[in-house]
Amino acid sequence: QKEVEQNSGPLSVPEGAIASLNCTYSDRGSQSFFWYRQYSGKSPELIMFIYSNGDKEDGRFTAQLNKASQYVSLLIRDSQPSDSATYLCALGGGYNKLIFGAGTRLAVHP
Amino acid sequence: DAGVIQSPRHEVTEMGQEVTLRCKPISGHDYLFWYRQTMMRGLELLIYFNNNVPIDDSGMPEDRFSAKMPNASFSTLKIQPSEPRDSAVYFCASSFWAGGTEAFFGQGTRLTVV
Repeated sequence: QKEVEQNSGPLSVPEGAIASLNCTYSDRGSQSFFWYRQYSGKSPELIMFIYSNGDKEDGRFTAQLNKASQYVSLLIRDSQPSDSATYLCALGGGYNKLIFGAGTRLAVHP
Repeated sequence: DAGVIQSPRHEVTEMGQEVTLRCKPISGHDYLFWYRQTMMRGLELLIYFNNNVPIDDSGMPEDRFSAKMPNASFSTLKIQPSEPRDSAVYFCASSFWAGGTEAFFGQGTRLTVV
């Protein structure tokens, strides 16, 4: 089992809709969770991080963490074509590793 | 700060040749990571350093791969000899505290081994 699992997609949503991206992880000791966005041909860039159970909102983005169920999700409200990218889930693992999932490709169509 | 700087941006080499990738982390960051990204395997952690000391190299695929960090401002990833299956984008990233804060990525080096 991989440490961080994501559906590769593509996830296709219409402009203005809510995009929901999910991630599960295997290490119960993980304390920090990150969502990175990567445009084609570019390097990953951080969108949000979350440490505590529950929701964390930042503009159109909401990260949700459920440690008991070992999943973290990212909701993008009012999706825009410019949100089309690959979204990478990452966790701060043991010995301060930073481990990434394979990413979910999101396509927002007008 | 100019961010994490990697060189070269693109490298094309013949199978069997030695390849050296370079990285300058953000000043003050004490963690440095080397990742490899391919379509098939995604973003894989190869090795990471804390205060110039290698902490975990379990992701290094083979003995052909080696990494060094002689000082806080410079790291290298070397592949010798290179093989076509090493073709990938190699990213270097740095952070202040690996487990809890943002890792900043360089622009990557696209390596093609023919």
